[in-house]
Amino acid sequence: DAGITQSPRHKVTETGTPVTLRCHQTENHRYMYWYRQDPGHGLRLIHYSYGVKDTDKGEVSDGYSVSRSKTEDFLLTLESATSSQTSVYFCATVSSGKTDTQYFGPGTRLTVL
Amino acid sequence: GQSLEQPSEVTAVEGAIVQINCTYQTSGFYGLSWYQQHDGGAPTFLSYNALDGLEETGRFSSFLSRSDSYGYLLLQELQMKDSASYFCAVLNTNAGKSTFGDGTTLTVKP
Repeated sequence: DAGITQSPRHKVTETGTPVTLRCHQTENHRYMYWYRQDPGHGLRLIHYSYGVKDTDKGEVSDGYSVSRSKTEDFLLTLESATSSQTSVYFCATVSSGKTDTQYFGPGTRLTVL
Repeated sequence: GQSLEQPSEVTAVEGAIVQINCTYQTSGFYGLSWYQQHDGGAPTFLSYNALDGLEETGRFSSFLSRSDSYGYLLLQELQMKDSASYFCAVLNTNAGKSTFGDGTTLTVKP
């Protein structure tokens, strides 16, 4: 295991409120990814990071922002949560020495009412 | 655009062999990975093919044909614990960026 934790693990929030999810890794992996997973769908990439302060958008980035000020932490922020952002969010890391394998965190179940 | 196609559901009996196919159309291809995800859990890496051919890891094997944009995951001697969702994923860049299929739910029956 790559030592990846996500917090919180569960969250219920109201429409319009900002929400920040945290991904923390202890493996010093260079690359980090945020996905969302909805029933019947695979993992869809929201944002990713190739290093500290180096981030880019994925396929479903609208309404989300990210920050990476330290190698070990990758934050995902929902600026103003909407019901369509109710989902399970997974963080993943990749080592620069072995890029064929993604290591996933346990996920955060977010419900926006 | 990017798309991966895999069957949504597969059912097999314990002890049998099952094959889960994946076809892909992507920009940027470094290889094809497979992940397993049990209900309520996180995806875990199973295998990776960068070159054509078969890779074997215990009861699981994975195959890739780059010319056909096709791969499959072969699970042998199925066990009840193999009931899970299986995702194929194309590695798009050499920095681990991947595009995932929608997953195949495998149900293993006694």
